[in-house]
Order: sequence, then C-alpha cells, then structure tokens
Amino acid sequence: KQEVTQIPAALSVPEGENLVLNCSFTDSAIYNLQWFRQDPGKGLTSLLLIQSSQREQTSGRLNASLDKSSGRSTLYIAASQPGDSATYLCAVTTDSWGKLQFGAGTQVVVTP
Amino acid sequence: GAVVSQHPSWVICKSGTSVKIECRSLDFQATTMFWYRQFPKQSLMLMATSNEGSKATYEQGVEKDKFLINHASLTLSTLTVTSAHPEDSSFYICSARGTGGEAFFGQGTRLTVV
Repeated sequence: KQEVTQIPAALSVPEGENLVLNCSFTDSAIYNLQWFRQDPGKGLTSLLLIQSSQREQTSGRLNASLDKSSGRSTLYIAASQPGDSATYLCAVTTDSWGKLQFGAGTQVVVTP
Repeated sequence: GAVVSQHPSWVICKSGTSVKIECRSLDFQATTMFWYRQFPKQSLMLMATSNEGSKATYEQGVEKDKFLINHASLTLSTLTVTSAHPEDSSFYICSARGTGGEAFFGQGTRLTVV
C-alpha cells in the first residue's frame, strides 16, 4: 500500500529565507506527483504537477523536484513571504483514474 | 488552471436530516470526480470515486448508504450525507482531474451536525 510522508510537520522561518519541504512515498509506481497549498478552512490550490517521467517543475518562486526511483520529492520556495504561510500537501496519483494518496502536510509560518 | 466549484461552503443541520453538497467543474468536463473528507489538523482521506453515468466506487470503511454519490453529468457530482449525525461533522472536499492529469479541488464544505 502506498504511503506518503512529509517532513517536517511544521516549519517557521523569517521572511526572505528559502523554504525546503520534503515528501517521500513508498511505491515508485506513480502516475504523477502534485503539490498543493491549503489555507485554514479552505480547499486546495494546485501549485505544481510533476509527471512520472519528469525530474522537476518550476513556477515563479516555486521549484519541485522528483526522484521516482528513491521515492522523493522536494518543494523549494525561494525568498519566502508572509503570504506563503499555509499548509503544503503533496500527493501521488496511484491509478489511471487519478486517485490521490496524500501526505499529512507541512504547516509553514513565515514571520515578517 | 481549471475551476471546480463546490457548494455550499458551510452548512449546519440537525441530527437525522440529510445534506446535499454539489461539486461542479466550470470550464472542463470531468468523467471522474473524487470526494474527500478532512478532519481537523489531518490530511485528506478519499471517500469515493465518482464516475459519470455509473455507480460510485467507495473506499473501504465508507458507508455507501450513508454517503450517496450521484454523477449525472460530465460537470456535476453530488454527495448527500443521509441521516446525518454529529460524528459526520467534518470538512468535505471534491476534486476533478483535468485533461493533463492535474487534480483541481473545490473550496470545500464545512458540515456541522447539531
């Protein structure tokens, strides 16, 4: 059974520092991996999607890498801002229908 | 990105009543939608996979007679919580997958059963 783990569970950094969020999964047979952001009491906002054949994806200050063979993905957020404070979730797609298996998330606080 | 709209965003109901939650894909067709449940400070747990024109597939431990799912069109799936009880209080979120494989989520529905 696929298990997704996110480390650390919580992270607090001063504004301007770079953020590094880790995600690991136990079964490398994935279709893709997706990073999401969730604000308190809200739904999920898709940040980056990495297909299983890709090594990384970039969008603005965000960069995500994928090493499928070792079961790891890392989300980098450059020059963090207070508005980046949220919970970040990674999820892997485990079947052709698009079923997602989520990690528990990393709660990020960026202090001014 | 694609837009998934979920309604209502919050609802309070009395114990024993039923509540319907709607999930719409606004600018794309979704043959498959997913329903998740999230408890406070926990991650999302998949409840069921909703397929247009056929019966939903429920995850182990999810009561299909309690959580009725209907996916009558390519842009609408509904989740009905029947005979709701306080333990059904939770945050329910739907998602749909775009053509590129990316999952898009609704805003979520906060259900409180009193």
